[in-house]
Amino acid sequence: QKEVEQNSGPLSVPEGAIASLNCTYSDRGSQSFFWYRQYSGKSPELIMSIYSNGDKEDGRFTAQLNKASQYVSLLIRDSQPSDSATYLCAVNEGFQKLVFGTGTRLLVSP
Amino acid sequence: GAVVSQHPSWVICKSGTSVKIECRSLDFQATTMFWYRQFPKQSLMLMATSNEGSKATYEQGVEKDKFLINHASLTLSTLTVTSAHPEDSSFYICSARDWRDPGQGVYEAFFGQGTRLTVV
Repeated sequence: QKEVEQNSGPLSVPEGAIASLNCTYSDRGSQSFFWYRQYSGKSPELIMSIYSNGDKEDGRFTAQLNKASQYVSLLIRDSQPSDSATYLCAVNEGFQKLVFGTGTRLLVSP
Repeated sequence: GAVVSQHPSWVICKSGTSVKIECRSLDFQATTMFWYRQFPKQSLMLMATSNEGSKATYEQGVEKDKFLINHASLTLSTLTVTSAHPEDSSFYICSARDWRDPGQGVYEAFFGQGTRLTVV
């Protein structure tokens, strides 16, 4: 069983700060990595996808991938209270399925 | 991103009855869809992989006779919870990957809005 590990949190940051969310995975052969945001009572929403080592930026979000260390992270700059949610890391298993971590709860205080 | 629509958003049913949940890909064809279940404050649990025109593949521990999946077309998959009981109350979510074009290098997966099932 492939594993994806995340700290459950909560991770508390003040408004305007950088939130750093981390994820490790067990399958060295994994190729595609995803970050989803899930608000309470809602379904997950795709934020970022990444497949190459290094950084990928989209607005206030930056995904970082290090395949050698089997580590993927999400940075949220200028954090806003509306960013308060659970962030799920997902990794490809085989060709179709995604394996999800348990999620990190982020709390951004005004 | 691609759009996946799930219906109904919430449903309340009596114990012993069956409930059908629909999942549609609105702007792309989804040969494969995924059904998840999520209990409060827990992560997503994959229940089954729905394959168009063939039988679904169920994860270990999921009762295939209780959770009937039909993927009759390239845009529609349904999950029927048969003889529902209070312990089946949960948040059910479908997902599909958009294979048309790799979104920024990867084939991304999109979720429906989810269905909150309450069995009384």
